[in-house]
Amino acid sequence: AQSVSQHNHHVILSEAASLELGCNYSYGGTVNLFWYVQYPGQHLQLLLKYFSGDPLVKGIKGFEAEFIKSKFSFNLRKPSVQWSDTAEYFCAVTNGANSNYQLIWGAGTKLIIKP
Amino acid sequence: DGGITQSPKYLFRKEGQNVTLSCEQNLNHDAMYWYRQDPGQGLRLIYYSQIVNDFQKGDIAEGYSVSREKKESFPLTVTSAQKNPTAFYLCASSLGAGRAADTQYFGPGTRLTVL
Repeated sequence: AQSVSQHNHHVILSEAASLELGCNYSYGGTVNLFWYVQYPGQHLQLLLKYFSGDPLVKGIKGFEAEFIKSKFSFNLRKPSVQWSDTAEYFCAVTNGANSNYQLIWGAGTKLIIKP
Repeated sequence: DGGITQSPKYLFRKEGQNVTLSCEQNLNHDAMYWYRQDPGQGLRLIYYSQIVNDFQKGDIAEGYSVSREKKESFPLTVTSAQKNPTAFYLCASSLGAGRAADTQYFGPGTRLTVL
């Protein structure tokens, strides 16, 4: 079965530090990749997504992610984090093996930014 | 103000009782989804519906039931057959489930506690 792995369940950083959250998936065919974010007390919302084309995808609030097909990875990055980036981040994947393009979700990474 | 509403925000029920969670969207989306979110496990799909009067089981449908009589509404019933119903339930919608790169839009969630 397809799966999505997020390596770090909890990450604590200081403001202005650089961020990289790992995401790996198990499916070898064509994939569509997503990062969602859940800020405290807010709805889960889309941060960015990869569908096709340039493997470096830019999202909201200065986030970006790079799709590396050979590594089955879609890591999320931000050069300098802010206290307001404190949230839970989820990686998700859809693929052609699932005829209804259901999202397969990682377990999430809780990010805490110390002011 | 377009979006997805879920009610109630918090719900308490006695063991053995059925309970129905409401989900309404005014985004004119065809597809709707129910997820269950447990700590450290990400989101797991319970049921989804691609069109009115049609729905399919997700990965963890046992003990749950849904209906889709109207495009904007997708209520979820947690039955007494669900072994561990205490969880956070999220409803989502997207333009159409047959589109791989569709963004899913989420409601605020309902936290169900079974006493």
